[in-house]
Amino acid sequence: DIQMTQSPSSVSASVGDRVTITCRASQGISNWLAWYQQKPGKAPKLLIYAVYSLQHGVPSRFSGSGSGTDFTLTISSLQPEDFATYYCQQANSFPPTFGQGTKVEI
Amino acid sequence: QVQLQESGPGLLKPSQTLSLTCTVSGGTVSSAGYYWNWIRQSAGKGLECIGRLHSSGRTDYNPSLQSRVTTSLDTSRNQFSLRLTSVTAADAAVYYCARAPIASNYGLFDSWGPGTLVTVSS
Repeated sequence: DIQMTQSPSSVSASVGDRVTITCRASQGISNWLAWYQQKPGKAPKLLIYAVYSLQHGVPSRFSGSGSGTDFTLTISSLQPEDFATYYCQQANSFPPTFGQGTKVEI
Repeated sequence: QVQLQESGPGLLKPSQTLSLTCTVSGGTVSSAGYYWNWIRQSAGKGLECIGRLHSSGRTDYNPSLQSRVTTSLDTSRNQFSLRLTSVTAADAAVYYCARAPIASNYGLFDSWGPGTLVTVSS
């Protein structure tokens, strides 16, 4: 299985801050990379797919970048509703695998 | 807009069989454009893909669970199901059903059910 490693595991931030989360795959995954947001007691929500593409309805303050094995999720100006846990996920090979998560907290 | 909803027993004893159903509304499980997936989340293992099925009959299972997993599609009820045999405490998790477009290779999950908690205890 492809291992996905996120850093940091948690980040403390304030409203208005720029937040960057990185994700590294154990082997190349082309552009088959997605980011999800999960709030307590809820299912993950797809934010970004194919590295850069925003899912419908996702605010433009979220952006993704990267290639090969190294990827980044950036929140340009953190809003109160963005405090959550974020996961990367690869869809290059089966089984799809997720990172361990990054908790964005105050 | 498609909605998914898991259902099934929340408490099992070790060695029993877990059976869950996902009911789909606002979309059809017979659509050729999607895979229907089972994913679980536990504190110990994080998010783990269990397997997926397609209306063509194709199924793919996580090799770590393959010997214990079966899935099925019921187009008349617009549902798909998961069966996991010989459960242990390690199978305790929140179980999600999710949809992935067929064009997303091995799965980018664009719709999820709310999840159902499964506890394994004697």
